[in-house]
Amino acid sequence: GENVEQHPSTLSVQEGDSAVIKCTYSDSASNYFPWYKQELGKRPQLIIDIRSNVGEKKDQRIAVTLNKTAKHFSLHITETQPEDSAVYFCAASIGGGYSTLTFGKGTMLLVSP
Amino acid sequence: DSGVTQTPKHLITATGQRVTLRCSPRSGDLSVYWYQQSLDQGLQFLIQYYNGEERAKGNILERFSAQQFPDLHSELNLSSLELGDSALYFCASSVASTGKGYTFGSGTRLTVV
Repeated sequence: GENVEQHPSTLSVQEGDSAVIKCTYSDSASNYFPWYKQELGKRPQLIIDIRSNVGEKKDQRIAVTLNKTAKHFSLHITETQPEDSAVYFCAASIGGGYSTLTFGKGTMLLVSP
Repeated sequence: DSGVTQTPKHLITATGQRVTLRCSPRSGDLSVYWYQQSLDQGLQFLIQYYNGEERAKGNILERFSAQQFPDLHSELNLSSLELGDSALYFCASSVASTGKGYTFGSGTRLTVV
């Protein structure tokens, strides 16, 4: 089955800096890659996603890039703010709205004022 | 409110006991997924149902079982509970046609003492 590796496990940055979280996946058939943000004690929430026919997608301060050949994808957060502090999870699935998502183990992002 | 309802929010029970966790998906969502979240294991996929039928199975223990009812709500049954079963259990739902990621419920925190 699919295996998703996520790095780093923790990331500390100063407010205003950029943060990058990287994930690799094992199944070349995977074609849907969402990112979730989970604040302490709350549910994971979808923040951005990308499909394998797209190399990059942006939404304000966040962007995701995908390299299908290397089987890795990354989350980029620019101009970080303290409210960006949370655990971020990457995930991968083999397409479709009812496909099982395999998650990475998460990255705890700490943004210091 | 995500539209995915999980009850109860908290559950404390003794080892050896059996509990039932309940999930109501968002209106219109046919797929329900169950995930276990432990501190060091991230989000582990347990099982998926689609329109009443089991669609995929992950690392679900034999002591655990689930079902999805005609009204699409789902129940996760955990029996012969052990201390290691203490975790956050999330339910998520999705619509097959949109191809989008899941929407998670707020979770049930299970503590086995």
